[in-house]
Amino acid sequence: DGGITQSPKYLFRKEGQNVTLSCEQNLNHDAMYWYRQDPGQGLRLIYYSQIVNDFQKGDIAEGYSVSREKKESFPLTVTSAQKNPTAFYLCASSIEFRGTQHFGDGTRLSIL
Amino acid sequence: AQSVTQLDSQVPVFEEAPVELRCNYSSSVSVYLFWYVQYPNQGLQLLLKYLSGSTLVKGINGFEAEFNKSQTSFHLRKPSVHISDTAEYFCAVSERNSNYQLIWGAGTKLIIKP
Repeated sequence: DGGITQSPKYLFRKEGQNVTLSCEQNLNHDAMYWYRQDPGQGLRLIYYSQIVNDFQKGDIAEGYSVSREKKESFPLTVTSAQKNPTAFYLCASSIEFRGTQHFGDGTRLSIL
Repeated sequence: AQSVTQLDSQVPVFEEAPVELRCNYSSSVSVYLFWYVQYPNQGLQLLLKYLSGSTLVKGINGFEAEFNKSQTSFHLRKPSVHISDTAEYFCAVSERNSNYQLIWGAGTKLIIKP
């Protein structure tokens, strides 16, 4: 079945450490997105990519980085510069930019 | 869209009763409108969307929503809820002439009481 796979489901970060969240899709979608979800808030866009080898900052890109070397993969790195990384991270994709978004099951990141 | 407001953070309702989850947005241009559902510790799943045409949109799991342009609202309704509808529901809006992505509401938790 086609879908979006996020891994790991749970991740713990030590102070000063960078961690990378994986997002893979086999839907052949061009566009991919990373969101951060905090309790009581809607989703906030971190980065998005309209096509391979291209990506753009969203509303809260500071402390995060991404790459889009392959169509099916859009990993997110949470750097040590992100001082409050504890959140639920969601990856999404759409056939084309601004199309209906399909979501993975998320990664919950916590600080040790 | 400048903002999306979901007026209720939680809505408790008895099983088999009807429910309405409210969503208002602010925008001066034409918009696309979406409702997504999130079950605990999962990603979001599209319930329904309004792109154009009939203002009454039917979605999955018996949900429907009505676009009211004059009131800038897109309320979600279901005539009879089940325990399995317990989840958080998110309204999202995208402006048609914008290069930007979806603007999300803060979510409404639907709590079904047996």
